[in-house]
Amino acid sequence: GAGVSQSPSNKVTEKGKDVELRCDPISGHTALYWYRQSLGQGLEFLIYFQGNSAPDKSGLPSDRFSAERTGGSVSTLTIQRTQQEDSAVYLCASSLGGDYNSPLHFGNGTRLTVT
Amino acid sequence: DAKTTQPTSMDCAEGRAANLPCNHSTISGNEYVYWYRQIHSQGPQYIIHGLKNNETNEMASLIITEDRKSSTLILPHATLRDTAVYYCIVPRGGGKLIFGQGTELSVKP
Repeated sequence: GAGVSQSPSNKVTEKGKDVELRCDPISGHTALYWYRQSLGQGLEFLIYFQGNSAPDKSGLPSDRFSAERTGGSVSTLTIQRTQQEDSAVYLCASSLGGDYNSPLHFGNGTRLTVT
Repeated sequence: DAKTTQPTSMDCAEGRAANLPCNHSTISGNEYVYWYRQIHSQGPQYIIHGLKNNETNEMASLIITEDRKSSTLILPHATLRDTAVYYCIVPRGGGKLIFGQGTELSVKP
């Protein structure tokens, strides 16, 4: 079946502009996660949704970052006033139940470049 | 929250079994052990997970010690395409994964 889909796959933006990144999780998955991976670095947790609620936003690096999820499905990660240090691959994952026994399934990410 | 410890890197000859160890000595009774891998420039891929029994699927086997303080991921016949970074993770609340440095596995011809 269809996996996690992210769009766009690549985005180049100018410093100071806002960007929106989209994630379509696997159908029926209630939990959704955003991560980012800077060049040569590990994966950094950003935020987790259970349904439309975000019980864990602890990884959002600043108030320029926000995310929402509607209809228990699609999620959008918004970065306002982008900075060069925001350049990274942004990865989305979903899981069936968001519990200890539900594997995460990742998309292939959006590569964001801030010039 | 249980932490995991893995070797930084390992080599394996193509066609041989790759055995990747992981220590998770502070794991609690209801926490699972998960293995993921990341091949360059792709999103992480789920491999396998287990609670206390050994598990096997089409990709790998997971051996968990009786005291649950360590585990081993076994790729029975490694191929060049198995070259990747392998992560052993004990999820946090909500199934959240915190990725460490993982083990960089190089499968050599």
